[in-house]
Amino acid sequence: GAGVSQSPSNKVTEKGKDVELRCDPISGHTALYWYRQSLGQGLEFLIYFQGNSAPDKSGLPSDRFSAERTGGSVSTLTIQRTQQEDSAVYLCASSRWSQGAESGNTIYFGEGSWLTVV
Amino acid sequence: AQSVAQPEDQVNVAEGNPLTVKCTYSVSGNPYLFWYVQYPNRGLQFLLKYITGDNLVKGSYGFEAEFNKSQTSFHLKKPSALVSDSALYFCAVRDSYSGAGSYQLTFGKGTKLSVIP
Repeated sequence: GAGVSQSPSNKVTEKGKDVELRCDPISGHTALYWYRQSLGQGLEFLIYFQGNSAPDKSGLPSDRFSAERTGGSVSTLTIQRTQQEDSAVYLCASSRWSQGAESGNTIYFGEGSWLTVV
Repeated sequence: AQSVAQPEDQVNVAEGNPLTVKCTYSVSGNPYLFWYVQYPNRGLQFLLKYITGDNLVKGSYGFEAEFNKSQTSFHLKKPSALVSDSALYFCAVRDSYSGAGSYQLTFGKGTKLSVIP
């Protein structure tokens, strides 16, 4: 597609329920990132995918959070047993990969999935 | 470890005046530096980046930024501010040394720019 696509754009869920957030990256982008933006907290890195593997999961805040990517394209971020502190905007981003130069490639963001846990 | 500081939570500027949004960084290797803008209830939009070469980088919407290695800074500038520039601006850095195999960007906390008519 033309840009990074995320769904749902808004989600209200009850505390304790599981939620799935979906990201469809820009076509041809092999690198995919999930970030979380909480009010007043800036952007927090969650996980990085290169293809279908996740070499960096260091930002996942707890074992309630997991993510997968299939076919080197669509990614799903799953939050189990949601808590009120999980309320945030979850941003997905993607970029190209080229050996030796990937670090300089621009990361493009989606519009985000706004999660509210009540 | 890599880090970014945006020392001002908010910057106010009159329309037509020049604007500067400050950013300083810390990395182990060479920095790759980025600026993004976020309008209310929207995602982040890429403005410009510095990878190598000329220290003055020009980007979208008339914005530019100057890389200063000695001061470890990458301030965002625009010669004449517009009311429509009012938004949240994020500076981000990535270390050119990615020994851990991660290419994540580390972001500053953001600076809210308000352009006053």
